[in-house]
Amino acid sequence: QAQLVQSGSELKKPGASVNISCKTSGSTFRNYALSWVRQAPGQGLEWMGEIITNINTNPGTPTYAQGFAGRFVFSLDTSVSTAYLHISSLEPEDTAVYFCAGESRYYDRSGPYPYFDSWGQGTLVTVSS
Amino acid sequence: DIQTTQSPSSLSASIGDSVTITCRASHTISSHLNWYQQRPGKAPKVLIYGAYRLQSGVPSRFSGSGSGTDFTLTISSLQAEDVATYYCQQSFSNPPWTFGQGTKVDLK
Repeated sequence: QAQLVQSGSELKKPGASVNISCKTSGSTFRNYALSWVRQAPGQGLEWMGEIITNINTNPGTPTYAQGFAGRFVFSLDTSVSTAYLHISSLEPEDTAVYFCAGESRYYDRSGPYPYFDSWGQGTLVTVSS
Repeated sequence: DIQTTQSPSSLSASIGDSVTITCRASHTISSHLNWYQQRPGKAPKVLIYGAYRLQSGVPSRFSGSGSGTDFTLTISSLQAEDVATYYCQQSFSNPPWTFGQGTKVDLK
């Protein structure tokens, strides 16, 4: 599976913006899509949405989970095999570890079975005045 | 959206015990259910995909079963390195994908 390397921790003030990068190994994105997953302190995993990376399936198309449209923007730079999560108007409640996760698909007669087979190491974003 | 509910939220077991975690989906999801292990301070790691398919490199003491709405993850003989939080995740049809709330496993 792909190796995903994320950018380092960030400390931001409320109202600021942050950009988190997720670089894949090799020269191309190897997964079908790349998801972003949030984990607030002491909490579980929350799927934020995904961006298609497969070159045959509308690469760059984002899908946002409920509650993550607007201030959260996913983007791709295929020239450097890197995905980005941009968060604007940061709030203290955005304090969390953000993971990127590569989606692979297993196929059988019943269709595709998506699952996350590669993960970045996580990026801690702390929002505090 | 399809919701997934895990139980229990936490459990304690001894080395060598068999451990079972359950996950229930709010709608039928065929076999589109994955299991992840997250050790403290680390990124999650896939153990099982498609309900019962063991990811390459994962020890055979981990197994998954179920279809439709009810699924289980079993650790046949708990080891010290299995102390972690385990999450189910559904991937049926189209996004949004959803995770269960997690089951924390520690040693008795």
